[in-house]
Amino acid sequence: IAGITQAPTSQILAAGRRMTLRCTQDMRHNAMYWYRQDLGLGLRLIHYSNTAGTTGKGEVPDGYSVSRANTDDFPLTLASAVPSQTSVYFCASSGGRDTDTQYFGPGTRLTVL
Amino acid sequence: GQNIDQPTEMTATEGAIVQINCTYQTSGFNGLFWYQQHAGEAPTFLSYNVLDGLEEKGRFSSFLSRSKGYSYLLLKELQMKDSASYLCAVRDSNYQLIWGAGTKLIIKP
Repeated sequence: IAGITQAPTSQILAAGRRMTLRCTQDMRHNAMYWYRQDLGLGLRLIHYSNTAGTTGKGEVPDGYSVSRANTDDFPLTLASAVPSQTSVYFCASSGGRDTDTQYFGPGTRLTVL
Repeated sequence: GQNIDQPTEMTATEGAIVQINCTYQTSGFNGLFWYQQHAGEAPTFLSYNVLDGLEEKGRFSSFLSRSKGYSYLLLKELQMKDSASYLCAVRDSNYQLIWGAGTKLIIKP
């Protein structure tokens, strides 16, 4: 692995189902983030983690949960998906030598029907 | 509230120069970022400004005026591969990034 990976690449999900989006980085970055990107809107922060073992709420946290058991992994869970959660989800990380810059994973395109 | 404004779309000609503006109103300021995002791909980092002035990096330059809440991204010698969305983001007092909706740049031959 080099950088950040996300899985799955895309998913179609029935409303009410539970779904976990996976994110893994191998850069030993302390901070990780989950964003959603919707047409016509800027990236919106869902949850973040400044270091392993800690998490925080972003701008749009409702309906989502995260955990940060170790440095590398930062999964995002939708407990009961709703159609308004249809979006492209990006995971990002920052830290290391260049602490200011966030680096993004390839994204997960999620459709909730 | 916090707000980042960018034009929705711009068109330019291959080989020309284009300037993409960004104005912001945020609770605190701890730096401004520009990212490039090709359709269907992830955003990638272009530049970072925290002090007033111009930062040059090859064909791309970014300018910041903190007193005016204003930045621009200047792209020179445009190439077809520069067709993408350009995202402006400001790091606020909580050290979180506030993102603009992005400017879609269309390059014509």
